[in-house]
Amino acid sequence: AQRVTQPEKLLSVFKGAPVELKCNYSYSGSPELFWYVQYSRQRLQLLLRHISRESIKGFTADLNKGETSFHLKKPFAQEEDSAMYYCAASGAGSYQLTFGKGTKLSVIP
Amino acid sequence: EAGVAQSPRYKIIEKRQSVAFWCNPISGHATLYWYQQILGQGPKLLIQFQNNGVVDDSQLPKDRFSAERLKGVDSTLKIQPAKLEDSAVYLCASSPRLPDTQYFGPGTRLTVL
Repeated sequence: AQRVTQPEKLLSVFKGAPVELKCNYSYSGSPELFWYVQYSRQRLQLLLRHISRESIKGFTADLNKGETSFHLKKPFAQEEDSAMYYCAASGAGSYQLTFGKGTKLSVIP
Repeated sequence: EAGVAQSPRYKIIEKRQSVAFWCNPISGHATLYWYQQILGQGPKLLIQFQNNGVVDDSQLPKDRFSAERLKGVDSTLKIQPAKLEDSAVYLCASSPRLPDTQYFGPGTRLTVL
């Protein structure tokens, strides 16, 4: 079955510390992978997608096919990064997103 | 550009009642999605439309849920009759074409008592 796993419900880090939000996937074929973010009182929005290889707001994510992981990283956390982060995947040609349960990131001033 | 609009934002009903949600996607977006997000979970796709045709409704509980997208623009999602376990946030999203980025609406929070 297609599955996206985010093992941490809550992650707290101090401002300026590195951040890593974990995501593992179980998909047949070569899925497309995404990170979505929801800031307090805002809509769910795309943060980045692996195919574009962009760095958004200092975040990057590397696809590791061997470990079936797509962890989100940022070298120095900022208070405005506090939000709910969801990893998502879609099967090749499917276009339908399967979301993980999300990780709440709290950056402590 | 205006974002995806949804109404109502909140709805409280008793079990066995009916409820309907409305979604207006971003102008020109051909693809429309409805998701259910139960507290503590990620969004789960219920149904996907391409223009006014259904692409996938495999996860839609068809005995009580129905959805339509007349004229390939607005969409409504209906639950009849509602159960306690339907309490969730219902999200609508749209994208200009497959498999482009999905843009989400603010959601409708449904509470079934």
